[in-house]
Amino acid sequence: QKEVEQNSGPLSVPEGAIASLNCTYSDRGSQSFFWYRQYSGKSPELIMFIYSNGDKEDGRFTAQLNKASQYVSLLIRDSQPSDSATYLCAVKAGGYNKLIFGAGTRLAVHP
Amino acid sequence: ETGVTQTPRHLVMGMTNKKSLKCEQHLGHNAMYWYKQSAKKPLELMFVYSLEERVENNSVPSRFSPECPNSSHLFLHLHTLQPEDSALYLCASSQNAGPNTGELFFGEGSRLTVL
Repeated sequence: QKEVEQNSGPLSVPEGAIASLNCTYSDRGSQSFFWYRQYSGKSPELIMFIYSNGDKEDGRFTAQLNKASQYVSLLIRDSQPSDSATYLCAVKAGGYNKLIFGAGTRLAVHP
Repeated sequence: ETGVTQTPRHLVMGMTNKKSLKCEQHLGHNAMYWYKQSAKKPLELMFVYSLEERVENNSVPSRFSPECPNSSHLFLHLHTLQPEDSALYLCASSQNAGPNTGELFFGEGSRLTVL
């Protein structure tokens, strides 16, 4: 059973701080990793993907991947109240974009 | 039209009813998906259609019956559901080739309540 684990939170950070979201996965053969953001009452939307070990930066977001430790993280710099949402980690588990999702971490950024 | 549209947005049905959820994508994608989202649980993949052919069926009970008449439309037919089937049902689409594989575009979901 392939699994993706996330701390459910809530993770509470002050505005302007760095939010660090973590995810572990069980399938050592996984190659592609994704972070989706889901606002309350809305559908998930892709914010980052990463395929190679190391860091990938996109604006205020940095995805980090360590395949040896089976660990993916998402850093959000200069956190804003508008970043308050649930962040879903997903791992590609085969063809046809079959994604296995974690249960998500709820992030709350307070002014 | 927005990328992926789902109807109805809310549905209340009894256990003996038959209803259908509809999904339409306007993105020119070649794959469509049904996911179930229950509170505090991960998104559960139910069905995958690629080029209108079902390629994944994740041990979903037969009371859920998908239909994909063409690459733009996906249905989920519901009959004799149970209260534990109450959830948000999300439709998604994607393009299976190219540099951005893995990006799913989700609809707003159909919130189902089974009484």
